[in-house]
Amino acid sequence: KQEVTQIPAALSVPEGENLVLNCSFTDSAIYNLQWFRQDPGKGLTSLLLIQSSQREQTSGRLNASLDKSSGRSTLYIAASQPGDSATYLCAVSSMDSSYKLIFGSGTRLLVRP
Amino acid sequence: SAVISQKPSRDICQRGTSLTIQCQVDSQVTMMFWYRQQPGQSLTLIATANQGSEATYESGFVIDKFPISRPNLTFSTLTVSNMSPEDSSIYLCSVGLGGELFFGEGSRLTVL
Repeated sequence: KQEVTQIPAALSVPEGENLVLNCSFTDSAIYNLQWFRQDPGKGLTSLLLIQSSQREQTSGRLNASLDKSSGRSTLYIAASQPGDSATYLCAVSSMDSSYKLIFGSGTRLLVRP
Repeated sequence: SAVISQKPSRDICQRGTSLTIQCQVDSQVTMMFWYRQQPGQSLTLIATANQGSEATYESGFVIDKFPISRPNLTFSTLTVSNMSPEDSSIYLCSVGLGGELFFGEGSRLTVL
């Protein structure tokens, strides 16, 4: 059974810092991996999608990497801003159902002005 | 991407009652899903809403408790039946497009 773990559970950094969020999964037979952002009481915003054959994806100040063999992904946020404060969720899908996601418990990020 | 609208955005309900959540998508989509997020927890898939047929439920979720309709390719409803305080959660509709999953804003239910 696939399990997704995110470390740390919470992170507080001063504005301008570069930071890394970690995600690990137990079964390397994934179809893809998605990073989401969730603001308090809101739905999820898709940030980056990495197919299992890819190593990384970039969007603006965000860079996500995938090492499928070791069951790890990282989300790198450059030059963090207070507006980046949110919960970041990692989710993986399996080979038999690309849309059925297993979610991690998230990392709650606070960027202090 | 897709624009997904959910109603209601939030509600406070009495124990034993039922509430239906609506999900409207701005384009036709084949894959539509319902997730639950309990307080302080991550998301758990409830079911896949299949157009024109019964929904496919995940382990731990049953049709009698969470009946789902999917009358067409742009609309679905999730009913939370005979609610108890343990059903207090955010319920999220999502659609699959191009290998990626997109989510609505969620419906926050509080059961007293």
